[in-house]
Amino acid sequence: ETGVTQSPTHLIKTRGQQVTLRCSSQSGHNTVSWYQQALGQGPQFIFQYYREEENGRGNFPPRFSGLQFPNYSSELNVNALELDDSALYLCASNTRTGSDEQYFGPGTRLTVT
Amino acid sequence: QKEVEQDPGPLSVPEGAIVSLNCTYSNSAFQYFMWYRQYSRKGPELLMYTYSSGNKEDGRFTAQVDKSSKYISLFIRDSQPSDSATYLCAMNYGGATNKLIFGTGTLLAVQP
Repeated sequence: ETGVTQSPTHLIKTRGQQVTLRCSSQSGHNTVSWYQQALGQGPQFIFQYYREEENGRGNFPPRFSGLQFPNYSSELNVNALELDDSALYLCASNTRTGSDEQYFGPGTRLTVT
Repeated sequence: QKEVEQDPGPLSVPEGAIVSLNCTYSNSAFQYFMWYRQYSRKGPELLMYTYSSGNKEDGRFTAQVDKSSKYISLFIRDSQPSDSATYLCAMNYGGATNKLIFGTGTLLAVQP
């Protein structure tokens, strides 16, 4: 069984740029959620994708957007990067019920300068 | 007021000690409760997953949920230096979007 994988591991961007982060869900999982974890904080829910559609969104502006592909992998796109976007971005996957456990990938550490 | 409150620590204990980690929450609609362990610069790893009040045991770990008090706990017996990590509590409402609401995490250091 393959776990959740994310790429890249880390990257550095300049304020105002755009970034795309990628996630492959655990085998057998069809739902992907993205979280942002600032230093010293718990993860904050950004949004969730199921069957290639957004299925819930947290308190993040529209410049945070995503995609899910037919193989259940997903992308997180952030436009017009701000310094406060510097964080660990985590992807989690699960099967499609309200209670299933979510399993996290290793994260992508984004630094915005 | 945050939906989930967790003491950030740090908590330092000697090897072999029993560790108690706790979270309180404000919304009685939470249905599912989880504990994750996160090593530095890594993703969270699911340790325990519980539903409803009561205890759940898995090896050295025991998760306890008290819905009447809106209080959850994780106990670690015979703590080891390898248990040194940040422990995050999380919970969700169930339903169509099972987004997780996390505490801030408690940093635990087990001294050899």
